Amino acid sequence: AQKVTQAQTEISVVEKEDVTLDCVYETRDTTYYLFWYKQPPSGELVFLIRRNSFDEQNEISGRYSWNFQKSTSSFNFTITASQVVDSAVYFCALSPPNTGNQFYFGTGTSLTVIP
Amino acid sequence: DVKVTQSSRYLVKRTGEKVFLECVQDMDHENMFWYRQDPGLGLRLIYFSYDVKMKEKGDIPEGYSVSREKKERFSLILESASTNQTSMYLCASRGRTYQPQHFGDGTRLSIL
Repeated sequence: AQKVTQAQTEISVVEKEDVTLDCVYETRDTTYYLFWYKQPPSGELVFLIRRNSFDEQNEISGRYSWNFQKSTSSFNFTITASQVVDSAVYFCALSPPNTGNQFYFGTGTSLTVIP
Repeated sequence: DVKVTQSSRYLVKRTGEKVFLECVQDMDHENMFWYRQDPGLGLRLIYFSYDVKMKEKGDIPEGYSVSREKKERFSLILESASTNQTSMYLCASRGRTYQPQHFGDGTRLSIL
């Protein structure tokens, strides 16, 4: 079974705080890709990052960083020094092979950054 | 940049009407998808297509059909709209395996 769990439904932080969004996935495949998307209030989903199952290096892009740990099947996303513009719904997704190119999305985490 | 265009941002229709949602992508992607998004349920896949005239059911295909006559266009059809189909509908396209899906702006559909 393929499944992505984002246990945090809603998170509120004060501006400049750091925040981590959790993502736990289930798959029996050894090859797969993981993704994070951002959905601002305007509605469109914006692609943030892709990580393949063979690359466990953490990645940093500006204030964003991602921690991929295969041993715990987690792919967590940290925003450092949060800003009001980070307020959005964030989705984690799993893309295994041989599933017709389907993505399996988590239910999303709604992040509110309070000024 | 990939551009996925959905024909309407907001749409209001009546129960029983046949509703067409159109999606066009400009990157020659083989794969296209339709999702609906509801609060607390995340994105649920309705149908996807991996080639012209080819389609596969997703998780919630009941009450919907799709059409892909040209590679760049993927249409979602509500055969007889019902109030429980009021939702946000998102179209996406994807090229080769393991590339990200690229999304349109979404259509907020209200069925009265």
